[in-house]
Amino acid sequence: DTGVSQNPRHKITKRGQNVTFRCDPISEHNRLYWYRQTLGQGPEFLTYFQNEAQLEKSRLLSDRFSAERPKGSFSTLEIQRTEQGDSAMYLCASSLGTGSSYNEQFFGPGTRLTVL
Amino acid sequence: KQEVTQIPAALSVPEGENLVLNCSFTDSAIYNLQWFRQDPGKGLTSLLLIQSSQREQTSGRLNASLDKSSGRSTLYIAASQPGDSATYLCAVRVRGSARQLTFGSGTQLTVLP
Repeated sequence: DTGVSQNPRHKITKRGQNVTFRCDPISEHNRLYWYRQTLGQGPEFLTYFQNEAQLEKSRLLSDRFSAERPKGSFSTLEIQRTEQGDSAMYLCASSLGTGSSYNEQFFGPGTRLTVL
Repeated sequence: KQEVTQIPAALSVPEGENLVLNCSFTDSAIYNLQWFRQDPGKGLTSLLLIQSSQREQTSGRLNASLDKSSGRSTLYIAASQPGDSATYLCAVRVRGSARQLTFGSGTQLTVLP
């Protein structure tokens, strides 16, 4: 399978715990995005990487959230001290692009987080 | 700030009917618009991408149009099938914040056999 993959697919945690999600983009894609989707809404942008550099962060990404893409390949999204409001589907997407070209984004299956 | 609206929120049609889903956006300064399909509890599947210079794109039974000046896009589905049942989302990439997609809330489509 050469699509975007995400692990785990589901995560249930207690409030206050830390969680980490992983995204593996399509192998040749240099751009990687994280989105969050709550029930009945469209995804909302969280952050963007070009290769290993995190170039943009939404104001939705509070201090409890951190994302990395250490070698420009896979990415991790960590949430510290989880709150019930963090319960959502976390989606990763990737694309191939250079300069100001913005191509089609391909999404992974998502990680559904439930905070009890 | 760009806002994307999809009306209706839900639509139910009998199998075989042709249908149109609507998407409107407030800021016409976009790079492109993308239509996605999302099955319950799943990720997004890209259907069509229309660049700002294009008027429409077609893939199989799907046809998407773009009228940038009026801030509207439509997704036309011909001869609908029960397997088309899903939520359809449109998203725009806005000039000035082109690294992100701004999504509508989607239209939940049910095609009845």
